Amino acid sequence: DGGITQSPKYLFRKEGQNVTLSCEQNLNHDAMYWYRQDPGQGLRLIYYSQIVNDFQKGDIAEGYSVSREKKESFPLTVTSAQKNPTAFYLCASSFGQGVVVAFFGQGTRLTVV
Amino acid sequence: GENVEQHPSTLSVQEGDSAVIKCTYSDSASNYFPWYKQELGKGPQLIIDIRSNVGEKKDQRIAVTLNKTAKHFSLHITETQPEDSAVYFCADSVANSNSGYALNFGKGTSLLVTP
Repeated sequence: DGGITQSPKYLFRKEGQNVTLSCEQNLNHDAMYWYRQDPGQGLRLIYYSQIVNDFQKGDIAEGYSVSREKKESFPLTVTSAQKNPTAFYLCASSFGQGVVVAFFGQGTRLTVV
Repeated sequence: GENVEQHPSTLSVQEGDSAVIKCTYSDSASNYFPWYKQELGKGPQLIIDIRSNVGEKKDQRIAVTLNKTAKHFSLHITETQPEDSAVYFCADSVANSNSGYALNFGKGTSLLVTP
């Protein structure tokens, strides 16, 4: 089945540790995105990538890092520099040309204790 | 990104009634306006979208209207059913903006349809 897969669904980490969230898509989409969702805050853009080996900061990139070595994969690392990392993280992808018809994964809920 | 204001934040309707959610955008260059439905613990799902060259679009019980002059767009759900209960997000997109083609989202509307 074609789609966008995020793993794991739930993730727990101790404060001060880096953690990497996985996002894979087999839709042949060029563009991929990471959003963060907090209660009552909507979705805020962390990073996006229009093509392989290129990515841009979104509105809240501080404390996060990404890579785009393959078209299918766009992992997000939440570093220890992120002051409030507990949130629901959503990955999306689109064809990246013209209008953004974006499809989302099922999300990863990260809890830092 | 530019702000997208969404109202109301919560909406409760009785089954069979209509529900309307409104969004306002600020960037006149916005040219694409999707609506997403998010069920608890899941990712948002695209339910309908509209482009700036169209004033209205309908898909069964769901419709979206766009007023470019006033910079607002609305989601209309008719004959609501309990399974319509979810959080709905509006968004806009500006091609060639500083955020490339990324979507800017409203803060969401929690819709509850009571039997």
